[in-house]
Amino acid sequence: SQQGEEDPQALSIQEGENATMNCSYKTSINNLQWYRQNSGRGLVHLILIRSNEREKHSGRLRVTLDTSKKSSSLLITASRAADTASYFCATGSSGGYNKLIFGAGTRLAVHP
Amino acid sequence: DVKVTQSSRYLVKRTGEKVFLECVQDMDHENMFWYRQDPGLGLRLIYFSYDVKMKEKGDIPEGYSVSREKKERFSLILESASTNQTSMYLCASSFGGRGANVLTFGAGSRLTVL
Repeated sequence: SQQGEEDPQALSIQEGENATMNCSYKTSINNLQWYRQNSGRGLVHLILIRSNEREKHSGRLRVTLDTSKKSSSLLITASRAADTASYFCATGSSGGYNKLIFGAGTRLAVHP
Repeated sequence: DVKVTQSSRYLVKRTGEKVFLECVQDMDHENMFWYRQDPGLGLRLIYFSYDVKMKEKGDIPEGYSVSREKKERFSLILESASTNQTSMYLCASSFGGRGANVLTFGAGSRLTVL
């Protein structure tokens, strides 16, 4: 079962612009994480936000979480060509063994 | 610096063959996971393991089995490969417990079943 749905499915921007990706989910969560995947490779963890947090920063990344709307956004500021990748949100629920449920991802292309 | 290693990056198998995908982690993680990734569907959880010899079904376990005889190794087995199992398979691991844990992924194994 897919929990998260990213929007947009694909995003194309110029270097220096900001990129915003959104994630919506359906059930209550314990935490939400964002991962990045370069073409044909494994996923790399970017940032984790807990359900009692509203905003988190890491370098050029800013993540917000609105549990009332069951949505999150990932903002990448001052994008670089090297940010070209697919970005996935993943939700973890309370209890269980913290298995994460991933969305379908947003493909970001940053053009020089 | 490789922490989660998947034994094969690319495999080509024939329908009906038994396929083994191996995953080894060196971080002493309790949890290990197998996902498959298909275009437009994201990652779907096949099986996970929270301890040696323990396993739990994920969302799409049909046609797959797993084995975890040692803490560092988690194997995915396709008993009789079918063409609809052509996919990218991703192994991941994390620390145990019920808290919010980050997954560390391997590079992936791309399986083609002819």
